[in-house]
Amino acid sequence: SQQGEEDPQALSIQEGENATMNCSYKTSINNLQWYRQNSGRGLVHLILIRSNEREKHSGRLRVTLDTSKKSSSLLITASRAADTASYFCATGPGGYQKVTFGTGTKLQVIP
Amino acid sequence: DGGITQSPKYLFRKEGQNVTLSCEQNLNHDAMYWYRQDPGQGLRLIYYSQIVNDFQKGDIAEGYSVSREKKESFPLTVTSAQKNPTAFYLCASRVEGGWQPQHFGDGTRLSIL
Repeated sequence: SQQGEEDPQALSIQEGENATMNCSYKTSINNLQWYRQNSGRGLVHLILIRSNEREKHSGRLRVTLDTSKKSSSLLITASRAADTASYFCATGPGGYQKVTFGTGTKLQVIP
Repeated sequence: DGGITQSPKYLFRKEGQNVTLSCEQNLNHDAMYWYRQDPGQGLRLIYYSQIVNDFQKGDIAEGYSVSREKKESFPLTVTSAQKNPTAFYLCASRVEGGWQPQHFGDGTRLSIL
């Protein structure tokens, strides 16, 4: 079963604007990861945040995690047309256990 | 360059036919995974393997089979028992243990003739 649910399902913004997408999950986790998928391609890992972290940055990406609300958000600042892709959150208990992917947010950045 | 290679990129299956999707990695990763992705959907786990000669069923294993005879290779067979095989199939690998991210191939799109 799907662990994560992304919101919104689709998002369209102008280049230069910020994009925020959210992920909610159901059970306790050890870490949460965000991946990007360009159309017709495989997923690419963007960032991992551990359950004891509240915020993490990587370049134009900012991820927050609220374990009390079982939710995470991914913020992409100063978006570019090349950011057009689907974004997935993935949760896992860590170690040898499998990772479960959400349903994805499809982001379109209009030049 | 290290990475994961999936082949073929496009595959067509006839009624009653088994087809095999190839996945090869040169990242020296122990764990490998097969996912199915339907249009507009997330990824669903078919099978995964943590070590050579061992693999476990995922959430939707019925109608699929795998083998893991070599560390580098994890082929997926879509059998005739899988009645709705049209989908995008993704293979991934990772260093096992801890919170290591998965590395993905570029997928195989399987369609029914």
